[in-house]
Amino acid sequence: KAGVTQTPRYLIKTRGQQVTLSCSPISGHRSVSWYQQTPGQGLQFLFEYFSETQRNKGNFPGRFSGRQFSNSRSEMNVSTLELGDSALYLCASSSQGTGGSNEQFFGPGTRLTVL
Amino acid sequence: QRVTQPEKLLSVFKGAPVELKCNYSYSGSPELFWYVQYSRQRLQLLLRHISRESIKGFTADLNKGETSFHLKKPFAQEEDSAMYYCALKSNSGNTPLVFGKGTRLSVIA
Repeated sequence: KAGVTQTPRYLIKTRGQQVTLSCSPISGHRSVSWYQQTPGQGLQFLFEYFSETQRNKGNFPGRFSGRQFSNSRSEMNVSTLELGDSALYLCASSSQGTGGSNEQFFGPGTRLTVL
Repeated sequence: QRVTQPEKLLSVFKGAPVELKCNYSYSGSPELFWYVQYSRQRLQLLLRHISRESIKGFTADLNKGETSFHLKKPFAQEEDSAMYYCALKSNSGNTPLVFGKGTRLSVIA
């Protein structure tokens, strides 16, 4: 099976712009979770989607949003970018989501730099 | 829910024992995991406490009394150098994984 893919791999934006990141889960996986990884804070949970519904949300401002499509692909959007949004954004998929003890498979990440 | 990894960096010599510490705070019954990220590779699951398995020579025991889930290996190898993350989730309900901030293990030849 192909692994989790994320596009684009690298992005450079300026403050105030918005950005959309994409994640394609492993075939058959219905859950997609997003994390923000920074050197200072480590991995912080953003949100999880399961069967097109947001099931969990982390403690991030409303500028961070996401959605999931019927084919389980997911996108996350960050509006009005701030310098502090510079990070590696990781997507992870699993077969059943957070409700069970299921392994999460991570993508390579999208490196976002905000100038 | 909180996961604490007290060491940002741990350096050991090849062949020496290694212990990566993980403490957690959670009122219910948690599930604990260790994830590893090797250089230029994706984050991947190393082991989970419910499996009680040894992966790449690593083991971890859940100590509910001390609320710890330390990762251990008796003889470190150079290829063990990586970033290690301890993670926790509730075993009831739909809750996400909560990660510690990670410990970078450096094995010196």
